[in-house]
Amino acid sequence: DQQVKQNSPSLSVQEGRISILNCDYTNSMFDYFLWYKKYPAEGPTFLISISSIKDKNEDGRFTVFLNKSAKHLSLHIVPSQPGDSAVYFCAASRAAGNKLTFGGGTRVLVKP
Amino acid sequence: GEEVAQTPKHLVRGEGQKAKLYCAPIKGHSYVFWYQQVLKNEFKFLISFQNENVFDETGMPKERFSAKCLPNSPCSLEIQATKLEDSAVYFCASSQSRDYGYTFGSGTRLTVV
Repeated sequence: DQQVKQNSPSLSVQEGRISILNCDYTNSMFDYFLWYKKYPAEGPTFLISISSIKDKNEDGRFTVFLNKSAKHLSLHIVPSQPGDSAVYFCAASRAAGNKLTFGGGTRVLVKP
Repeated sequence: GEEVAQTPKHLVRGEGQKAKLYCAPIKGHSYVFWYQQVLKNEFKFLISFQNENVFDETGMPKERFSAKCLPNSPCSLEIQATKLEDSAVYFCASSQSRDYGYTFGSGTRLTVV
């Protein structure tokens, strides 16, 4: 039972354009959502998070949108840069200190 | 320090041997998590600690896996009698509270041959 899904395994985008990554979840008890970026042979790096009391959170080039009724969140990266090429994971948790449930990842390639 | 330190980076064990992985969380972080990453990027939760107490162990294959977080020592994850299917990258993460995110280490790649 996959509670967090990233349906696009890969995404290719031109440098300077917007990258949009999507994530769906099924467990309505999730109330905190995070995005991580991962390079090969490294651990995931925290990018941005959002609590279920909000529908948008911005940090520089990264914006996360949450649609609770649709159980859907998305990450927008604008403008995309070649250094953004990595695997991006969506994750969700239910309460403070609780485990993260990860999606399967989306590999992003930003072309110069 | 401000990073989660995992050792060793690589570990090779023959099937049936014991494997022990270590994780030093960021000082001041109360929560420690272990995850296993196998094929196709899937992260599987194993166990979490709040300080030295087990917080959630619902992901642990208890017959061969054990873990500890003792005061003033790195946390450890031990696999007795490793199997081929245990080959994976094991990540440790720590957190002060979830509002600050979870910081991951760079992982230990375990290869069982």
